[in-house]
Amino acid sequence: GAVVSQHPSWVICKSGTSVKIECRSLDFQATTMFWYRQFPKQSLMLMATSNEGSKATYEQGVEKDKFLINHASLTLSTLTVTSAHPEDSSFYICSAINSGGETQYFGPGTRLLVL
Amino acid sequence: GNSVTQMEGPVTLSEEAFLTINCTYTATGYPSLFWYVQYPGEGLQLLLKATKADDKGSNKGFEATYRKETTSFHLEKGSVQVSDSAVYFCALSETGNQFYFGTGTSLTVIP
Repeated sequence: GAVVSQHPSWVICKSGTSVKIECRSLDFQATTMFWYRQFPKQSLMLMATSNEGSKATYEQGVEKDKFLINHASLTLSTLTVTSAHPEDSSFYICSAINSGGETQYFGPGTRLLVL
Repeated sequence: GNSVTQMEGPVTLSEEAFLTINCTYTATGYPSLFWYVQYPGEGLQLLLKATKADDKGSNKGFEATYRKETTSFHLEKGSVQVSDSAVYFCALSETGNQFYFGTGTSLTVIP
């Protein structure tokens, strides 16, 4: 099946710093990628939808200036958490679909801890 | 609107027991239905899916049938193993873009 990778898998940073998370589709071209956030023992919350070559569409309540998304190519989307604070600590998961597909393939997730 | 309701967990079963995790949905159109599994510390993996009414998705001994009349997509497995311990998410999508997830059901299988 399709493979999506994320890097890094774990990141610990100091409050006020910025963190970049990469999401790559390894064996298919992803016209659309999604970024989710998952709190402990809760479901996934869609943060934004990222289309290659265009601006991301953010869900209501998600600060676009804080969570910068760049979908520079058909195989790479990045999420940058700017000026991270402890409340940004979470599990961030990306997913991707290929053109014409209807199944989302999820990355393994990135666990962010902000001290 | 679209939504998914899953039975609340956690669920604890003995090895080889029968598993059912209930999932019902509401949708404005004709969605595809999915079950995803999340093992500890990992992302979600697609377990099975069904794209239209009466379709049965199956994988790794798990099954779920798309029941339009009861708007349900219950997940079943005849004999669970310790390695099935994970969190299971039911989801629907009408367009392939917007996914609606249930809250997840944690399953623990004890030897």
